[in-house]
Amino acid sequence: QKEVEQNSGPLSVPEGAIASLNCTYSDRGSQSFFWYRQYSGKSPELIMFIYSNGDKEDGRFTAQLNKASQYVSLLIRDSQPSDSATYLCAVNAGGGNKLTFGTGTQLKVEL
Amino acid sequence: DGGITQSPKYLFRKEGQNVTLSCEQNLNHDAMYWYRQDPGQGLRLIYYSQIVNDFQKGDIAEGYSVSREKKESFPLTVTSAQKNPTAFYLCATRGQPNTGELFFGEGSRLTVL
Repeated sequence: QKEVEQNSGPLSVPEGAIASLNCTYSDRGSQSFFWYRQYSGKSPELIMFIYSNGDKEDGRFTAQLNKASQYVSLLIRDSQPSDSATYLCAVNAGGGNKLTFGTGTQLKVEL
Repeated sequence: DGGITQSPKYLFRKEGQNVTLSCEQNLNHDAMYWYRQDPGQGLRLIYYSQIVNDFQKGDIAEGYSVSREKKESFPLTVTSAQKNPTAFYLCATRGQPNTGELFFGEGSRLTVL
């Protein structure tokens, strides 16, 4: 079992719709969770981070964390073509100083 | 400008040659990391360093070496022992241990001919 798992996609949504990206992790000791966006050929950039169970909202983005079920998700409301990218889930597994990344989900927002 | 500078951005080398990728930061962060990314894949940790003169192996350290002589610098050498070195290499720093986000440089794309 991989430490951090994501569906590779592509996930296609129409412009204006809600995109839902999911991530599961194996280490129950994980403390912090991050979502990064990566455009093709570029380096990842942080979208959201979440540490506590529940929802965290920032503009069009909402991160959801459920530690009991070991999943974290990212919702993108009013999806725009500029949101088309690969979204990487990263987990601070074991509470240590390393971040473990999933393989990423490719999102395509269609006009 | 504050940030992380990786160089070179693109690098071509012949098989069997060692290459060194540079990573310099002026964010005053203690922790620095090297990740490798292959097409369609996530990031895999090569080496990381939490303080000067100390570093630890990540998940795929074989065929790579690093040094951390200064807080600002964390160069990565891809040796001839690395069997498949063609990849996108990303350097990152972290300001807060254990909980903080990673800040990434722009990456170095290495192609071995």
